[in-house]
Amino acid sequence: EAGVTQSPTHLIKTRGQQATLRCSPISGHTSVYWYQQALGLGLQFLLWYDEGEERNRGNFPPRFSGRQFPNYSSELNVNALELEDSALYLCASSDRDRGSGYTFGSGTRLTVV
Amino acid sequence: KQEVTQIPAALSVPEGENLVLNCSFTDSAIYNLQWFRQDPGKGLTSLLLIQSSQREQTSGRLNASLDKSSGRSTLYIAASQPGDSATYLCAVKGGSQGNLIFGKGTKLSVKP
Repeated sequence: EAGVTQSPTHLIKTRGQQATLRCSPISGHTSVYWYQQALGLGLQFLLWYDEGEERNRGNFPPRFSGRQFPNYSSELNVNALELEDSALYLCASSDRDRGSGYTFGSGTRLTVV
Repeated sequence: KQEVTQIPAALSVPEGENLVLNCSFTDSAIYNLQWFRQDPGKGLTSLLLIQSSQREQTSGRLNASLDKSSGRSTLYIAASQPGDSATYLCAVKGGSQGNLIFGKGTKLSVKP
């Protein structure tokens, strides 16, 4: 069974640009979650998508947005990049069962210069 | 609002020791608790998933317990090895938010 896949692995952008990160969940999983892990900080919840809808959002500005496609893959967009957006962005997926666990991808390392 | 705390923040032990990592959470209304391992710069690897109705789960040298009423979980690692060196994260899934809430982790170093 293929795991959660994220692309690209690394991304370097200039301040003010836009970044797009992609995530493909495990087959059969309908929920996708995005987390930010900045250097030296814990995992901060960004967004939760299920069945194409945004279900919950963390304490991040609106320039962090995303969507979920009919095949349950997801995209995270970060507009007007700031230096402090440099972080490891992790995607996870789970199935509909409330008791199901999360499976994480390997992450996208975003560097803003 | 659910908060998850992990103690200690860092731990260094000699190879072969048994050790315990602690996790506490403020809201006992959880669906499950999950322990993860993270190597530097990498994603998270799930170690153990404990449902709210369960008391413990075991996988190899790892054993995790859950006391939902007191808001505590422990991860027991037997006969530690240098390859166990990593950051261990505890996370709870609650009904009100639906997403996993993480502690800040315990950074474990096992010396040969």
